[in-house]
Amino acid sequence: QVQLVESGGGVVQPGGSLRLSCAASGFTFRSHGMHWVRQAPGKGLEWVSVIWYDASQEYYSDSVRGRFTISRDNSMNTLYLQMNSLRAEDTALYYCVRLFGNNAMDVWGQGTTVTVSS
Amino acid sequence: QSALTQPASVSGSPGQSITISCTGTNSDVGGYNYVSWYQHHPGKAPKLMIYDVTNRPSGVSNRFSGSKSGNTASLTVSGLQAEDEADYYCNSYTSSSSYVFGTGTKVTVL
Repeated sequence: QVQLVESGGGVVQPGGSLRLSCAASGFTFRSHGMHWVRQAPGKGLEWVSVIWYDASQEYYSDSVRGRFTISRDNSMNTLYLQMNSLRAEDTALYYCVRLFGNNAMDVWGQGTTVTVSS
Repeated sequence: QSALTQPASVSGSPGQSITISCTGTNSDVGGYNYVSWYQHHPGKAPKLMIYDVTNRPSGVSNRFSGSKSGNTASLTVSGLQAEDEADYYCNSYTSSSSYVFGTGTKVTVL
């Protein structure tokens, strides 16, 4: 079945780095754009980043641009999010999401938790 | 990239209809027919309910419908049921080639 499984979350100190991974299965990964979306505790959904199906384009929210880098390995069916210079406000549940068409986020992982704290 | 504006809460009795609004700008909601809606039950992954303003994915009840007028998109839930109680978020593509979510609406079934 179509599935996205995130990993790599954990506790990190402010200013630290973390790399999230998302393993995709059950569909042709290289044919779909992919997003990262996060939800801070008690807050709403926040879009983080998107990468096109062929990795030719990537875009970021203002809150993470310059600190986070999205990438993908289509040979390994894996999406990544490199997070540097982490701040307390980056504490959240991070979801890996499949893009369908131009704007539909149709498949979601269960998320991986990132906690930035000293 | 300001969040799209949604009412904090909407409520209705079983069988009634409710409508959730999502207001943006000419640079997002008003500029593209790329608005989607998500249902989110706490502790579960969000679920796509509507995409491209009006389209419903297979498996989503036809009680859910979407529309747009100018810079405001709307999600209507008809024949409200207990299982519809959840948080709902709109999302739009933007002129910066990015995406933005709404502030979220908590739907309560009375």
